[in-house]
Amino acid sequence: AQTVTQSQPEMSVQEAETVTLSCTYDTSESDYYLFWYKQPPSRQMILVIRQEAYKQQNATENRFSVNFQKAAKSFSLKISDSQLGDAAMYFCAYAPGGGATNKLIFGTGTLLAVQP
Amino acid sequence: GAVVSQHPSWVICKSGTSVKIECRSLDFQATTMFWYRQFPKQSLMLMATSNEGSKATYEQGVEKDKFLINHASLTLSTLTVTSAHPEDSSFYICSARGAGGETQYFGPGTRLLVL
Repeated sequence: AQTVTQSQPEMSVQEAETVTLSCTYDTSESDYYLFWYKQPPSRQMILVIRQEAYKQQNATENRFSVNFQKAAKSFSLKISDSQLGDAAMYFCAYAPGGGATNKLIFGTGTLLAVQP
Repeated sequence: GAVVSQHPSWVICKSGTSVKIECRSLDFQATTMFWYRQFPKQSLMLMATSNEGSKATYEQGVEKDKFLINHASLTLSTLTVTSAHPEDSSFYICSARGAGGETQYFGPGTRLLVL
């Protein structure tokens, strides 16, 4: 069974600094997708970034980038120039590819605090 | 694009009554919708998956007669909590995914409080 592990329950970063959130996963599949979702205090789940496993290039979205290490099954999220609005719970998620009703498998989340 | 709405955002009801929560994809056709439950400071727990026009597939341990899911169109799915009890109080979130897509887009969630 696939699993997603986030080993950092809480992290803190100073405003304008860089922080990296860790995520590892376990799967025997070769076709899959990885996601980072952000859940601020409003509890709305917001897609931050997505990575297709077949792509070697790391995905980037403005200040957010990932370090995708397929062999190591690692998928970390780097937030550059942290802003107060980045404070939220961050969930790493895995979805197998190729199926009609592929379910997301979530990690337990990392609560990020941004200090002014 | 990829906006999902949920209604209501808050609901308080008496024990024994039924509550219906709507999930709509506003700018895309959602062939698959998912319903989650989230307890405070915890991750999302998948309750069921529904495909338009088909019966929902429930996760192990989720009572299908208590949590009725209908996915009657490509833009609307509903979750009805029947004969709600205080232990059903929780935060319910839906998500939607379009045909051929792998990304789930989430609604803003519904806070249910059963008195």
